[in-house]
Amino acid sequence: DAGVTQSPTHLIKTRGQQVTLRCSPKSGHDTVSWYQQALGQGPQFIFQYYEEEERQRGNFPDRFSGHQFPNYSSELNVNALLLGDSALYLCASSLAASGVRRETQYFGPGTRLLVL
Amino acid sequence: AQTVTQSQPEMSVQEAETVTLSCTYDTSESDYYLFWYKQPPSRQMILVIRQEAYKQQNATENRFSVNFQKAAKSFSLKISDSQLGDAAMYFCAYRKTDSWGKLQFGAGTQVVVTP
Repeated sequence: DAGVTQSPTHLIKTRGQQVTLRCSPKSGHDTVSWYQQALGQGPQFIFQYYEEEERQRGNFPDRFSGHQFPNYSSELNVNALLLGDSALYLCASSLAASGVRRETQYFGPGTRLLVL
Repeated sequence: AQTVTQSQPEMSVQEAETVTLSCTYDTSESDYYLFWYKQPPSRQMILVIRQEAYKQQNATENRFSVNFQKAAKSFSLKISDSQLGDAAMYFCAYRKTDSWGKLQFGAGTQVVVTP
């Protein structure tokens, strides 16, 4: 049973560039959430996708956008990169159909983004 | 707004001993979930244990157990018979029941296990 996978594992960009991170959910899951984890801090919720729509969003600017595909995989796009965007980006998947009470998120290994 | 506080940046424990990690949270909700996640150096966040606020019984998963004090808004994790593999960053997290899955995390506690 494949778990949550993310690509790439590491990425180096320069300020002002754009980046796309990818996530494949755990087999059978239909919901994907993205988190940003700065060094030495807990993860911060960016947004969540279900049925190819953004269902909930955290306090992140519009430079952060996403997409979910019919096969439930997801992309996180960040435009006009800032130095402060350097972080570990975590993807988590869950199964909405299991009901809100039962939903547990399973995390991928993350993508380490460094902005120079 | 809900906040999650972990006041212990680091805890050290000897193998086979017990360590307790503290977590407090602030919420006006009556129904919610609480979680403990473990993040080893490999970076992958692993679910350790979950607690549903409407359940009075404390959750237990093998050597891991919680002490959930709803009135005090406290949710501590006890690791019994500590093993070297337990060394990791531990995060406490909160989620509203009617949320679409937004987890709110504390700052984490680094657990160091010494032989």
